[in-house]
Amino acid sequence: GAVVSQHPSRVICKSGTSVKIECRSLDFQATTMFWYRQFPKQSLMLMATSNEGSKATYEQGVEKDKFLINHASLTLSTLTVTSAHPEDSSFYICSARGRLAGGIWKQYFGPGTRLTVT
Amino acid sequence: GQQLNQSPQSMFIQEGEDVSMNCTSSSIFNTWLWYKQEPGEGPVLLIALYKAGELTSNGRLTAQFGITRKDSFLNISASIPSDVGIYFCAGQQNNDMRFGAGTRLTVKP
Repeated sequence: GAVVSQHPSRVICKSGTSVKIECRSLDFQATTMFWYRQFPKQSLMLMATSNEGSKATYEQGVEKDKFLINHASLTLSTLTVTSAHPEDSSFYICSARGRLAGGIWKQYFGPGTRLTVT
Repeated sequence: GQQLNQSPQSMFIQEGEDVSMNCTSSSIFNTWLWYKQEPGEGPVLLIALYKAGELTSNGRLTAQFGITRKDSFLNISASIPSDVGIYFCAGQQNNDMRFGAGTRLTVKP
């Protein structure tokens, strides 16, 4: 079945540095990719939506200059957390949406990236 | 973004019991989905519902898309220890997918 991968699965960085997270759709073309953030014992909160080749649309309260999203191809999106602070520590999950064989739209989630900022 | 109202927040049940959880929304959706998430992992799709009134099963799981398009329920029959996890409902309208707060299920052997 369709698979979405994320890299890295875990990252620890120092406050003030930047971290890039990659999200790849492995066997389908993802016209839209989503980035979510999940704090412990909470639900997934949508951060931004990106369509291939377009600028990402950010949810209210999410700083676009801090969370840079690039969706350069139909199989790859990246999220860069710039000048990370401890409060950015969270579980970041990407999701890819595309049309599979048969014309049905599906959305699959990556395994998540645990970011810890010290 | 606005979330869905999912209940209950948590459930502690004995192995073999049936489980029921539901989601409601003030907005209509054209798709309802149910996911399971285990610690440190991304959500995994369990059931997708595409039509109002649709009732779909996946093994011991059964979910329904409410007639009003504003609600959905998920039932798990004869629970087993590996059913433990957090279950999320999600409503989708075009490119917009919103999640419930989750139901944390604990199954005692």
